[in-house]
Amino acid sequence: SQTIHQWPATLVQPVGSPLSLECTVEGTSNPNLYWYRQAAGRGLQLLFYSVGIGQISSEVPQNLSASRPQDRQFILSSKKLLLSDSGFYLCAWNGRETQYFGPGTRLLVL
Amino acid sequence: GEDVEQSLFLSVREGDSSVINCTYTDSSSTYLYWYKQEPGAGLQLLTYIFSNMDMKQDQRLTVLLNKKDKHLSLRIADTQTGDSAIYFCAELGVLGTPLVFGKGTRLSVIA
Repeated sequence: SQTIHQWPATLVQPVGSPLSLECTVEGTSNPNLYWYRQAAGRGLQLLFYSVGIGQISSEVPQNLSASRPQDRQFILSSKKLLLSDSGFYLCAWNGRETQYFGPGTRLLVL
Repeated sequence: GEDVEQSLFLSVREGDSSVINCTYTDSSSTYLYWYKQEPGAGLQLLTYIFSNMDMKQDQRLTVLLNKKDKHLSLRIADTQTGDSAIYFCAELGVLGTPLVFGKGTRLSVIA
């Protein structure tokens, strides 16, 4: 069966520091992968999605970037965090019909 | 562009039925989804319906789809306190493209 992992689960970072969040998927190959951000427990904002290794589509211009170095690994990064980057970051993957979410990373930028 | 709308809040008494409504604009939607998010957790896929169906039932959950009006609903029978969560409606147009999510409906169940 397929499983999606995210780490860390929680992160507190100072403004201006770098960021690296990791997402890995097990039990499937060549999945579409997604990064979402959820602010204040509300709606989801699609940040990036990837249909294959090295292929990244950016939905919202900002100081974040994403990379997909391996088929089942998706990384969200920033060189310098802003206060507004605080939120709940969710990774997801989908097969043909359905999309499944990871447990999320809660990021607090101080 | 595509848009999915939901009411933000719903409050029901324990044991009553809950009905969460959603409207969407993409007439070429192939699948429509309901996700549940409990506090501090990721989104859990509850159920989904193919666009050529008008109803799907799974235990306490009933999904109704009115494709003509582009209206989707989720009925939870015998609502329990454990059903308190945010419920997201989502639609998929072309297979393999990102889902379009509503902003979520916060369901509060009063004991």
